[in-house]
Amino acid sequence: NAGVTQTPKFRILKIGQSMTLQCTQDMNHNYMYWYRQDPGMGLKLIYYSVGAGITDKGEVPNGYNVSRSTTEDFPLRLELAAPSQTSVYFCASSYPGQGAGQPQHFGDGTRLSIL
Amino acid sequence: GIQVEQSPPDLILQEGANSTLRCNFSDSVNNLQWFHQNPWGQLINLFYIPSGTKQNGRLSATTVATERYSLLYISSSQTTDSGVYFCAVEGSMGFKTIFGAGTRLFVKA
Repeated sequence: NAGVTQTPKFRILKIGQSMTLQCTQDMNHNYMYWYRQDPGMGLKLIYYSVGAGITDKGEVPNGYNVSRSTTEDFPLRLELAAPSQTSVYFCASSYPGQGAGQPQHFGDGTRLSIL
Repeated sequence: GIQVEQSPPDLILQEGANSTLRCNFSDSVNNLQWFHQNPWGQLINLFYIPSGTKQNGRLSATTVATERYSLLYISSSQTTDSGVYFCAVEGSMGFKTIFGAGTRLFVKA
């Protein structure tokens, strides 16, 4: 029962490098989300998707891109890493329902440092 | 956008004590969730509760949507309850989930 799986768990990038954070879920959830959590803060929504081929911006989308080619996978891409993107990134998924749907299930997070 | 305020920001309890955490929100919402983030950083969904009352073991939650608040009750607290409790709401425009800043709970043995 894997749930939501995020890789890698930790990563250090240099300023200007790019990388893709992977997220996959095996619960057949239509809705998927990417959040970032800065130290001592709550989570902020970066992007979300309501199904394959459909994505939209959240609260803090600048500097990120997403794609959703399958129901299972929702990768998050950083094109030009900046120190302000140092954070812990969480992926989540849920079934459809009213609004953002049913309870969101979270992966264990990716801790990213930009130096 | 919707503002979410949680109180208290920090809470220290002796094991066995009861507590109430509060979440106020500034506008009508489609749904509301309570999460526990454990000391290892994992986020666990406790309740999906846009309105009404739910109970799960020692935890219960009540949302009064018309008055724009939700309460999370923890009874007979245990050291494993330590961590950060987040309230997250989704506004009537849909999908964009907004988290509060959290209540940091430490339960002493």
